[in-house]
Amino acid sequence: AQTVTQSQPEMSVQEAETVTLSCTYDTSENNYYLFWYKQPPSRQMILVIRQEAYKQQNATENRFSVNFQKAAKSFSLKISDSQLGDTAMYFCAVRAGGTSYGKLTFGQGTILTVHP
Amino acid sequence: DAGVIQSPRHEVTEMGQEVTLRCKPISGHDYLFWYRQTMMRGLELLIYFNNNVPIDDSGMPEDRFSAKMPNASFSTLKIQPSEPRDSAVYFCASSPTGGRNYEQYFGPGTRLTVT
Repeated sequence: AQTVTQSQPEMSVQEAETVTLSCTYDTSENNYYLFWYKQPPSRQMILVIRQEAYKQQNATENRFSVNFQKAAKSFSLKISDSQLGDTAMYFCAVRAGGTSYGKLTFGQGTILTVHP
Repeated sequence: DAGVIQSPRHEVTEMGQEVTLRCKPISGHDYLFWYRQTMMRGLELLIYFNNNVPIDDSGMPEDRFSAKMPNASFSTLKIQPSEPRDSAVYFCASSPTGGRNYEQYFGPGTRLTVT
């Protein structure tokens, strides 16, 4: 079984500043993948960033980066130079390989508000 | 690419009626997923298919829910009879197998309201 916990129901940040969203997870699989999805008010689910668990190097995508701590089962998302368009619900998710291939488990989400 | 297509985008129905939600995955993707999103329960996986075959339906709430995938380009999620507690946003997602492409691509969702 997989679980994902996002302990911050809401966060806020000023435009141009940096914010970090927390996520911890648990899985019995050795081979798995971690994701951050963004859901703006349009409700479309948009992939922000992806991390393969076997890679030690933290993934980065422009202003978005992760801090992946495999031993601690922690996967936080850092947003630099926050923009108004970053306002959304952010979901952390884990997808296992092996016998559970395909099953994606989401956290409860963090509502991020970027203030001008 | 057109992306994952879902229809209808909004559905309002009365309790007891049958509801059918439709999904067209991205061409070439061999995994298809149905999720439900509510305020109380967040995003829940209902069922997923691989090569049109249901792999895991443990998330389907009860017998009133059924899903089919008659071919690689079409899937349905049916609720019969519908109840007010089924009101939610239902997402379909698809994914290819292997390589770096383990992410799932989501459709725009269907907002279902059962009165």
